[in-house]
Amino acid sequence: RKEVEQDPGPFNVPEGATVAFNCTYSNSASQSFFWYRQDCRKEPKLLMSVYSSGNEDGRFTAQLNRASQYISLLIRDSKLSDSATYLCVVKNSGGYQKVTFGIGTKLQVIP
Amino acid sequence: EAQVTQNPRYLITVTGKKLTVTCSQNMNHEYMSWYRQDPGLGLRQIYYSMNVEVTDKGDVPEGYKVSRKEKRNFPLILESPSPNQTSLYFCASSLSIVNGYNEQFFGPGTRLTVL
Repeated sequence: RKEVEQDPGPFNVPEGATVAFNCTYSNSASQSFFWYRQDCRKEPKLLMSVYSSGNEDGRFTAQLNRASQYISLLIRDSKLSDSATYLCVVKNSGGYQKVTFGIGTKLQVIP
Repeated sequence: EAQVTQNPRYLITVTGKKLTVTCSQNMNHEYMSWYRQDPGLGLRQIYYSMNVEVTDKGDVPEGYKVSRKEKRNFPLILESPSPNQTSLYFCASSLSIVNGYNEQFFGPGTRLTVL
């Protein structure tokens, strides 16, 4: 089983729709979770961290489910500019531990 | 402007011809890392460096070398490139990566083709 798994998509959604992605992780000791955004052939950029209690940043909501070992990203009122690949990132706790990136989920918002 | 720069951005080369991809950051970051990104495989770490003169292997180090003689620079060296090293390469840096996570800032990427 991969350390971090994501559905590669693509998810094609109309403008204004709500879309959600999940990301599962295999290491129960994983402690830190993040979502990065990557536009086509460009560098990844941090979108948001994922906190235990869940967190929101405008139209974006991130949640963590430790029991089932997954994190989610919800995008409300999708904009054309949200079209990108969303990478799930997981880091273990304590000292230096490897940061693992998922393969990403591609989102295409359609007019 | 705070940034990570990589050069060259695009490179086409032939098998066996040594090459170096440079990476430089101006944020005084301790941690630097190289990744390669391939379709269906995502970002895979090649090498990382916790600080000057401290480097270690990532998940896919074979065929690559790195050095960290100065804090700002972290070049990636391919001594004898092969076609399976054709990929999109990213350099990244962060303040630190010990006991917590600091955002990794990525360079713009280097698209390498080995014929």
